Amino acid sequence: QKEVEQNSGPLSVPEGAIASLNCTYSDRGSQSFFWYRQYSGKSPELIMSIYSNGDKEDGRFTAQLNKASQYVSLLIRDSQPSDSATYLCAAKGAGRRALTFGSGTRLQVQP
Amino acid sequence: DAGVIQSPRHEVTEMGQEVTLRCKPISGHDYLFWYRQTMMRGLELLIYFNNNVPIDDSGMPEDRFSAKMPNASFSTLKIQPSEPRDSAVYFCASSEGYNTGELFFGEGSRLTVL
Repeated sequence: QKEVEQNSGPLSVPEGAIASLNCTYSDRGSQSFFWYRQYSGKSPELIMSIYSNGDKEDGRFTAQLNKASQYVSLLIRDSQPSDSATYLCAAKGAGRRALTFGSGTRLQVQP
Repeated sequence: DAGVIQSPRHEVTEMGQEVTLRCKPISGHDYLFWYRQTMMRGLELLIYFNNNVPIDDSGMPEDRFSAKMPNASFSTLKIQPSEPRDSAVYFCASSEGYNTGELFFGEGSRLTVL
């Protein structure tokens, strides 16, 4: 079992809809969680971080964390074709462990 | 700042040859990470350094892989001898501090081993 699990997709949504991306993690010691966006052929870039249970909003993006269920999600409101990319969920464990990434969910926003 | 700089961007080599990938982190960043990305396995941590010292190399697949960071502005990842299964995109990333979780990635080095 991978430490961070994501559905590979593709997740296809129409322009203007809400895209919901999900992630589960196995290490209960994980302290903080991150969403990275990776366009095809490019490198990952950080778009959201979340450290405590609940919701965190930044513009059209909302990250949600439920540590009891070991579940992280990313909502993208008013999805745009430019949001089409692979979204990587990452968890940082306790101690000196570096970020562990999921395999990513490919999002396609249809115009 | 120019960001994290990696070279070469593309490398095609034959099995058994030595491959050296290079990375210049963002100035002032004290953490440097090497990740490998494949379709099958996703983005995997190989090794990371703090202040030029290797902290966790548990992701280095085997003795054919080695990494060094002789100073704060340069790191290398070497594969010797290379094998076809090493074909992947190798990313270098740096960060300022450990707890931010914000890694700045280079553009990657795409390695193809024939």
